[in-house]
Amino acid sequence: GENVEQHPSTLSVQEGDSAVIKCTYSDSASNYFPWYKQELGKGPQLIIDIRSNVGEKKDQRIAVTLNKTAKHFSLHITETQPEDSAVYFCAASRNNAGNMLTFGGGTRLMVKP
Amino acid sequence: AAGVIQSPRHLIKEKRETATLKCYPIPRHDTVYWYQQGPGQDPQFLISFYEKMQSDKGSIPDRFSAQQFSDYHSELNMSSLELGDSALYFCASSLLARNTQYFGPGTRLTVL
Repeated sequence: GENVEQHPSTLSVQEGDSAVIKCTYSDSASNYFPWYKQELGKGPQLIIDIRSNVGEKKDQRIAVTLNKTAKHFSLHITETQPEDSAVYFCAASRNNAGNMLTFGGGTRLMVKP
Repeated sequence: AAGVIQSPRHLIKEKRETATLKCYPIPRHDTVYWYQQGPGQDPQFLISFYEKMQSDKGSIPDRFSAQQFSDYHSELNMSSLELGDSALYFCASSLLARNTQYFGPGTRLTVL
């Protein structure tokens, strides 16, 4: 089955700096890679996703890059703000009916004012 | 925009009791997923349904069962509860064609 590894497990940055979180996956058949933000006591919130036919996707301060050959993908957050503080999860899936998401272990991001 | 609804939000049960968790997907979404998240852990996939049929199965204990109804809502039934079942249980929904999963707020189950 799929195995997703995520690094770092914790990340502390100053407000305004950039944050980068990296994930690797094992199943070459995976072709859908979402990122979720989870605040304490809440459900994971989808922030951006990328499909395997695209190498990069950007949405305002958030961008995701995908390298299918190397089987890794990354989340980039620019101009971080204190409200970006949360746990971020990457995930991988085959884009088929009802297919499960396999999550990375999560990264706790702390943005210091 | 309407989101995934889960009920109850909190549930306290004794060991060996049963529990039923409910999930109401985003309107027009046809696929539901159940995940279990232990403290400090990532969500672990349990089971999914599309059009009332099971579509994928993960690490769901035999003590648990689930189904999807004609109105697309889903229920997760948990029997012979154990202390280790204490966790957050999330439901997610998607449109089959996209597989973009949107998560609900979760049910926090505590087994005493």
